[in-house]
Amino acid sequence: QSVLTQPPSASGTPGQRVTISCSGSSSNIGSNTVNWYQQLPGTAPNLLIYSADQRPSGVPDRFSGSKSGTSASLAISGLQSEDEADYYCAAWDDSLNGWVFGGGTTLTVL
Amino acid sequence: EVQLVESGGGLVQPGGSLRLSCAASGFTFSSYWMHWVRQAPGKGLVWVSGIKNGGSRTSYADSVKGRFTISRDNAKNTLYLQMNSLRADDTAVYYCAKGGIQPNWGQGTLVTVSS
Repeated sequence: QSVLTQPPSASGTPGQRVTISCSGSSSNIGSNTVNWYQQLPGTAPNLLIYSADQRPSGVPDRFSGSKSGTSASLAISGLQSEDEADYYCAAWDDSLNGWVFGGGTTLTVL
Repeated sequence: EVQLVESGGGLVQPGGSLRLSCAASGFTFSSYWMHWVRQAPGKGLVWVSGIKNGGSRTSYADSVKGRFTISRDNAKNTLYLQMNSLRADDTAVYYCAKGGIQPNWGQGTLVTVSS
């Protein structure tokens, strides 16, 4: 069981906007920043959002992140077929002294 | 450009040992926490271990505590993970990751524990 809680699946049609939630606690999201990763099949995770709402260079502005209290969200607007992937949230945990991850959300573009 | 290249994975019998390496380049290795994260087949990401910049502080997931040892050689820009008493549930792709505000990950190395 993962420390951070994500829905196991999400879906949308091309052009739609979808959001993925990530719930944690005061020892992780509540006191540290949140990162989001996209993992395409057979590849390593790729950083999508860092510091809750910042995009690395090269990440389209269709992807956005937010954080409030002990929860965070990833939003994908203008959904495209190539967005089909697994998405993971992550945060530093002060109790564990390490990273904690969500269980991952599989996004399907219908 | 940050590059992290893992090596040392392979097939090992239960109870055996393996040492993973991660060669880093493109950044000041000695300035960052470094981590190992694993992903079992068809499963999610799980943090395994982390080590502070100078190597003085380490942390481990409970599942590997006492069996795995993380270390680093800042002169060689290399991160290590010594894995002992391996079990079937240690089978996974092991990723090396740079800490900091914008983490970077390697491509991973597969460890298979099976008789």
